[in-house]
Amino acid sequence: KNEVEQSPQNLTAQEGEFITINCSYSVGISALHWLQQHPGGGIVSLFMLSSGKKKHGRLIATINIQEKHSSLHITASHPRDSAVYICAVRTSGSRLTFGEGTQLTVNP
Amino acid sequence: EAGVTQSPTHLIKTRGQQATLRCSPISGHTSVYWYQQALGLGLQFLLWYDEGEERNRGNFPPRFSGRQFPNYSSELNVNALELEDSALYLCASRVAGAGKDTQYFGPGTRLTVL
Repeated sequence: KNEVEQSPQNLTAQEGEFITINCSYSVGISALHWLQQHPGGGIVSLFMLSSGKKKHGRLIATINIQEKHSSLHITASHPRDSAVYICAVRTSGSRLTFGEGTQLTVNP
Repeated sequence: EAGVTQSPTHLIKTRGQQATLRCSPISGHTSVYWYQQALGLGLQFLLWYDEGEERNRGNFPPRFSGRQFPNYSSELNVNALELEDSALYLCASRVAGAGKDTQYFGPGTRLTVL
């Protein structure tokens, strides 16, 4: 079993829909990152969370430390949101352990 | 502010050769991380350098090595290349302190081993 599990693996939505991607982890962490990877490989760090909730534009990330679970929400989704979304947890030595990613496709 | 840069963008090698990948962190960042993303697999942690020293390494054979220079740029070397080393190699630099700790990723080097 992976230390970081994401669901779903693939997600197709229509433009405007509300999207949720989930991440569960089984290890002790100091922080959790949500990353966005575009075709071609470039990675953008969206959020770093150690508790509670953060919002940036149409993106919202929450974390429940007790339940070892985080969610990434996208409101009013748009085709340009299409990308792979990766959950990563920071464990010992500041190394990141990654989930396998969620491929999001938003159709117009 | 310039981001993390990596070179080359693409690299094609044959089995048994050596590959050298380079990373320049964001100015002021002293930590550099290397990650491998093989086709169909998730990102995996490779190496962490801070202040010129290797601080941690992932579950990779000794063929994977690197170093960090006094200007905090870093090199990843892969010796005796194998076909399964074909992957996207990402470098990230890290800033920590004053309640902030996050990694900034470079665009990656796509290594193809033939």
